[in-house]
Amino acid sequence: GESVGLHLPTLSVQEGDNSIINCAYSNSASDYFIWYKQESGKGPQFIIDIRSNMDKRQGQRVTVLLNKTVKHLSLQIAATQPGDSAVYFCAEKSGANNLFFGTGTRLTVIP
Amino acid sequence: GAVVSQHPSRVICKSGTSVKIECRSLDFQATTMFWYRQFPKQSLMLMATSNEGSKATYEQGVEKDKFLINHASLTLSTLTVTSAHPEDSSFYICSARTGIGQPQHFGDGTRLSIL
Repeated sequence: GESVGLHLPTLSVQEGDNSIINCAYSNSASDYFIWYKQESGKGPQFIIDIRSNMDKRQGQRVTVLLNKTVKHLSLQIAATQPGDSAVYFCAEKSGANNLFFGTGTRLTVIP
Repeated sequence: GAVVSQHPSRVICKSGTSVKIECRSLDFQATTMFWYRQFPKQSLMLMATSNEGSKATYEQGVEKDKFLINHASLTLSTLTVTSAHPEDSSFYICSARTGIGQPQHFGDGTRLSIL
């Protein structure tokens, strides 16, 4: 079956440093990937997405990298701020199938 | 843009009560809405997918008679937990999208606590 998992369940970084959150997936047919941020007691917030025909996409302070060869997805956050502290989920989708969420990584930013 | 509102944000009720949760897309029309359940420190588990004007599609293991879903309009879907019991206590989250291939936007969830 398909699976989306994260290498590290927790990540602590110093304020101002860059953060890298990793995600592995096993469904080679997945063609759409999304990163969500979930703060305590709230729903997931869309951060950035990428389709399988790309290997990199940049947003404001965030970059998503997709390596289809090894089925790996990463989220890079530049100059991490205390407000970035949250749980980050990667999610993947193949075709018209539903979105499948990974287990999540808790990012803690140390002031 | 793409705001999804969920109500109520928190509900506490006695065992045996039925609870209705609303999910509204405020500034867009949602052809499809999704209902998820999330246990503490765990990921989101899809319960069902609802398309406006048609019956919801439930994931395996989700009782359709227990979790009633109605998607009466392009901006509103409701989830009713019927005869709720303590094991139904969880964080329920809805999401909506405008169409296939578009991102899902999530509501802020409903914390359901059954005593």
